[in-house]
Amino acid sequence: KNQVEQSPQSLIILEGKNCTLQCNYTVSPFSNLRWYKQDTGRGPVSLTIMTFSENTKSNGRYTATLDADTKQSSLHITASQLSDSASYICVVKGYGQNFVFGPGTRLSVLP
Amino acid sequence: DTEVTQTPKHLVMGMTNKKSLKCEQHMGHRAMYWYKQKAKKPPELMFVYSYEKLSINESVPSRFSPECPNSSLLNLHLHALQPEDSALYLCASSHEGGGRGKNEQFFGPGTRLTVL
Repeated sequence: KNQVEQSPQSLIILEGKNCTLQCNYTVSPFSNLRWYKQDTGRGPVSLTIMTFSENTKSNGRYTATLDADTKQSSLHITASQLSDSASYICVVKGYGQNFVFGPGTRLSVLP
Repeated sequence: DTEVTQTPKHLVMGMTNKKSLKCEQHMGHRAMYWYKQKAKKPPELMFVYSYEKLSINESVPSRFSPECPNSSLLNLHLHALQPEDSALYLCASSHEGGGRGKNEQFFGPGTRLTVL
């Protein structure tokens, strides 16, 4: 069964600190993986998207990694800001399949 | 234009009302999606339209009726909803194709629906 798991479920950090969110998937065959940021009550916004041949992708303070062999991805946030407080959702697309959503990690950045 | 727009932003309706949610994109995407999202949960796929034809219906109750009048518009008609249908309804679009490649999915801001 195609699944996407994320950890931790929730995370609280202080402003300015770094953090790393994890995503493990079983979707096969794999097409691409994306990380979304979703503010409460708003639609998800894409942060990064990676295919199997890409193992690192950066977008400002966000850096995503992908290991297609172990089927793991991480999202690293550096120098966190209060505005980073949101849910971060890992979504995996299989070849010829629809998008499989992870449950998300809820990040809270405190002053 | 890389935007998906949705109207209305908020909707409150009674169980006997008929209302419609609207979604629009002008990115030339040929796949459009409706998702339902409850609080603190990931979006759940409801319908997928591919080239204006319904390709996926994830066993959604008939009180939800999707419509794709053209390649830029997607509607969700609501009738006789239940309070448990209250949720954030998200529209998304992407280039069609199940093949490899980035095929990025763009989301609208959502409609917050409350059923009384």
